[in-house]
Amino acid sequence: GQSLEQPSEVTAVEGAIVQMNCTYQTSGFYGLSWYQQHDGGAPTFLSYNALDGLEETGRFSSFLSRSDSYGYLLLQELQMKDSASYFCAASTNDYKLSFGAGTTVTVRA
Amino acid sequence: KAGVTQTPRYLIKTRGQQVTLSCSPISGHRSVSWYQQTPGQGLQFLFEYFSETQRNKGNFPGRFSGRQFSNSRSEMNVSTLELGDSALYLCASSLDGRGNIQYFGAGTRLSVL
Repeated sequence: GQSLEQPSEVTAVEGAIVQMNCTYQTSGFYGLSWYQQHDGGAPTFLSYNALDGLEETGRFSSFLSRSDSYGYLLLQELQMKDSASYFCAASTNDYKLSFGAGTTVTVRA
Repeated sequence: KAGVTQTPRYLIKTRGQQVTLSCSPISGHRSVSWYQQTPGQGLQFLFEYFSETQRNKGNFPGRFSGRQFSNSRSEMNVSTLELGDSALYLCASSLDGRGNIQYFGAGTRLSVL
């Protein structure tokens, strides 16, 4: 089966940097993606890594190490609107996306 | 370009009934996936369709079924509803056919009484 582990909660202040880790155990691994979900909302795509290394999109960066089965999402210059749940998801060669349980980020003033 | 549209947004049913949920993907997206989201179990994969073919199915009982039409629109059906089926049902579409980057609809909130 597939399993993805994420820390359950992270709290940080506005302007800070937050890193959320994700370790995975999957067969047929294809890539790792990240999604943001606000309370009552739908998940929205943030970033995707198929190859090792860092992908940067504005204040968000995502990293993947396939050899370590590990990835992280980095949020810089935290804003109050970044308070949300963040999910890592592994795509596999059987067309399935498996999600971690999510990390709840709370941004304090 | 319009996003993923799911209907209805909210639904209340009683145990034993059946329900059909609808999903219209982003234009040009041929892959549609369905997920169940609950506080206790998180986001669980239900099934994935591409060009009217189910390519994968998650670990759900046979009461959960789906289909995809030639215009890529998809429906999922849950028969003989149980209290535990109360959840947010999310549909997502993908352009790349591998589901690596998915765009989600707002979901259907199903309550089973």
